[in-house]
Amino acid sequence: NAGVTQTPKFRILKIGQSMTLQCTQDMNHNYMYWYRQDPGMGLKLIYYSVGAGITDKGEVPNGYNVSRSTTEDFPLRLELAAPSQTSVYFCASRPRRGFVYSNQPQHFGDGTRLSIL
Amino acid sequence: DQQVKQNSPSLSVQEGRISILNCDYTNSMFDYFLWYKKYPAEGPTFLISISSIKDKNEDGRFTVFLNKSAKHLSLHIVPSQPGDSAVYFCAASEAGANNLFFGTGTRLTVIP
Repeated sequence: NAGVTQTPKFRILKIGQSMTLQCTQDMNHNYMYWYRQDPGMGLKLIYYSVGAGITDKGEVPNGYNVSRSTTEDFPLRLELAAPSQTSVYFCASRPRRGFVYSNQPQHFGDGTRLSIL
Repeated sequence: DQQVKQNSPSLSVQEGRISILNCDYTNSMFDYFLWYKKYPAEGPTFLISISSIKDKNEDGRFTVFLNKSAKHLSLHIVPSQPGDSAVYFCAASEAGANNLFFGTGTRLTVIP
């Protein structure tokens, strides 16, 4: 039972390079999320998706893009890497039950540690 | 603008004693609160939650208390065990919203 899987676990990029962080979940969850966690800070939402083909911005979307072509996958794209994007990135998912958010905690992957030099 | 605040970056407790982790929030529209536990090099793991219609929720050794008038919640761990040593994040969301707002975390160390 894999849950939420993120690849790669670590990556070093040069300024201006691009890359895609992969996230896949095998729980058939409708909702998926991307967060970043900077040192000493809480997690901040970058983008989220409520289902295949539907995405929306979170608190800190600038410099990132997402797509959601399947229920399982939710990749995060960095087009022009900048030092400010050095962070740990977490992907999460949760099921949709009814219209109430309550009692539906998000399940997280183990993160991708990204350094941009 | 931090809507969820954990003002204690760290806490040390003797094994067997009670651990109390605190969290304050500013947004009165929050109606669902969660605690996550995080070990190094792993993602956050859901621990316990509470909705705004309750003031207490218990799950084994873990109890969360919510004081809506003070915009404050706390997590009690009794008895504390060395395996509880981790970073604990408080999180909150508004009704029907899709995003969670996280605090900055409290590192709990349980001393054997």
